[in-house]
Amino acid sequence: SQTIHQWPATLVQPVGSPLSLECTVEGTSNPNLYWYRQAAGRGLQLLFYSVGIGQISSEVPQNLSASRPQDRQFILSSKKLLLSDSGFYLCAWSLGSEQYFGPGTRLTVT
Amino acid sequence: GENVEQHPSTLSVQEGDSAVIKCTYSDSASNYFPWYKQELGKGPQLIIDIRSNVGEKKDQRIAVTLNKTAKHFSLHITETQPEDSAVYFCAATLSGGGADGLTFGKGTHLIIQP
Repeated sequence: SQTIHQWPATLVQPVGSPLSLECTVEGTSNPNLYWYRQAAGRGLQLLFYSVGIGQISSEVPQNLSASRPQDRQFILSSKKLLLSDSGFYLCAWSLGSEQYFGPGTRLTVT
Repeated sequence: GENVEQHPSTLSVQEGDSAVIKCTYSDSASNYFPWYKQELGKGPQLIIDIRSNVGEKKDQRIAVTLNKTAKHFSLHITETQPEDSAVYFCAATLSGGGADGLTFGKGTHLIIQP
């Protein structure tokens, strides 16, 4: 069966510091991968998606970037965090229409 | 692009009663409609979905109905239990229409009163 992992689970970072969040998927090949952000009490905002290694599409302009160095690895990065980057970051995978989410990373920028 | 509206934003029901959450979508080409349940501090979990070639689908206490003409779909939970308390999201997409995938509603916070 397929599983999706995210780490770290929680992170507290100062403004201006770099960020690296990692997501890996097991038990499947060539999945579509997604990064979402969820602000407190809000819906899901799609940030990036990827259909293959090195292929990244961005949905919103921001100071975040994403990379897919391996088939089942998806990384969300920032060179300098802003206060507004705080939120709950979710990774998801799909092979067809169904999307399956990871456990999320709670990021607090102070 | 697709736009999904979800109502209500908060729903409080007595344990044992039924709960109904409604969503409307704008793109008549959308043909896949999933529902997710998100518990506090966790990722959303896919609980049921429906495709446009059927009008209703049931899984134990959960059912989803779809009205393609009116472009709305609903989640029905019967005999609610405390563990049903969570935030529920609806979504819509054109299956096979592209990897950018699902458009989500803003969520409904379901509260089950003991």
